[in-house]
Amino acid sequence: DQQVKQNSPSLSVQEGRISILNCDYTNSMFDYFLWYKKYPAEGPTFLISISSIKDKNEDGRFTVFLNKSAKHLSLHIVPSQPGDSAVYFCAASTGYSSASKIIFGSGTRLSIRP
Amino acid sequence: DTGVSQDPRHKITKRGQNVTFRCDPISEHNRLYWYRQTLGQGPEFLTYFQNEAQLEKSRLLSDRFSAERPKGSFSTLEIQRTEQGDSAMYLCASSSPGASGANVLTFGAGSRLTVL
Repeated sequence: DQQVKQNSPSLSVQEGRISILNCDYTNSMFDYFLWYKKYPAEGPTFLISISSIKDKNEDGRFTVFLNKSAKHLSLHIVPSQPGDSAVYFCAASTGYSSASKIIFGSGTRLSIRP
Repeated sequence: DTGVSQDPRHKITKRGQNVTFRCDPISEHNRLYWYRQTLGQGPEFLTYFQNEAQLEKSRLLSDRFSAERPKGSFSTLEIQRTEQGDSAMYLCASSSPGASGANVLTFGAGSRLTVL
């Protein structure tokens, strides 16, 4: 039962352009959505989150958009830089105050080409 | 604090042997999670603790797997009678609430298990 889906295993974007990574979910009980970034031989690192009561959250070059009616979220990276090349995971959960697991998608490998 | 530490980083074992992984979380985090990741997949939830209490276990966690967190500090994940299908990266994470109220996990670098 894949509650969080990332349907694009890979994405290649030219340096300086916008990278858009997509994620779909099925469980309307999720309160929070998070994006993690993973380099080889390292654990995932937290990037940005969004509450289900919002439709946009921005942090520097990273913006996450949430469309609850479509059960869809996206991560925009502008401008894309070589260091952004990594695997990006979408994750979902209820909030910290409710004891719950965090469910991850299968990841999208982003490659930034010069 | 140096973040979440996992040991060993890589373990190679023969099928049927037992292995144990250790995780030292960030000291002020009271939640600790174990995940498993295989090639091309995202982290799969195995189990988590709040302090020393194990609050949830995945159906993926067969009775060959056991996790403990004595005294609510470090945790161990033991796999008995290892099988080749157990080969994976075992990730530990601890958490604190994010500024927004989200449950933000901080991951260790992982322990890679190879079962021959």
